[in-house]
Amino acid sequence: SQQGEEDPQALSIQEGENATMNCSYKTSINNLQWYRQNSGRGLVHLILIRSNEREKHSGRLRVTLDTSKKSSSLLITASRAADTASYFCATAGVMDSSYKLIFGSGTRLLVRP
Amino acid sequence: DAGITQSPRHKVTETGTPVTLRCHQTENHRYMYWYRQDPGHGLRLIHYSYGVKDTDKGEVSDGYSVSRSKTEDFLLTLESATSSQTSVYFCAISVTGHSTDTQYFGPGTRLTVL
Repeated sequence: SQQGEEDPQALSIQEGENATMNCSYKTSINNLQWYRQNSGRGLVHLILIRSNEREKHSGRLRVTLDTSKKSSSLLITASRAADTASYFCATAGVMDSSYKLIFGSGTRLLVRP
Repeated sequence: DAGITQSPRHKVTETGTPVTLRCHQTENHRYMYWYRQDPGHGLRLIHYSYGVKDTDKGEVSDGYSVSRSKTEDFLLTLESATSSQTSVYFCAISVTGHSTDTQYFGPGTRLTVL
């Protein structure tokens, strides 16, 4: 079953602009993580937000979580060409096994120099 | 890639042949995972291991088996490969196995089944 769905599927912006991508999910969660994947590489963890948190920051990343709307957003500020990658949300459902993460299908971000 | 290697990195095989993919870690982490990544589906969990000889099925385990005889190695076997198993396979590890834990991913194996 697919839990997280990212929106948009693809995003193209100019270097220096902000990039916002969204993740919606269907069932109650314990936490939500965001991962980045550069072309041809494995996923790299970016940030985790727990269900009782509303916002977290890490460097140029800002993640929000709205459990009432079952959605999260990832904001990358002052984007750089090196931010070009696919971004995935991964959710841990309340009813799922404690180890289980469900990954969305990702947003492909292109940052143009 | 956090001390995780996968072999082979690329493989082309024919329908009906057995295939084994290897994941090797140098971190001595207890928890290991196999995922497949397909366009439009994100990553889907195939199998999971919580220790030597301790494994469990994920959401897309049909047609796959795994073995873990040593902490550092987690093998994924396609007993009789089918074209629907053409995919990119990722191994991941984590320290606690809990969903709040970061998963560290290997570089992936691109498998093509003709």
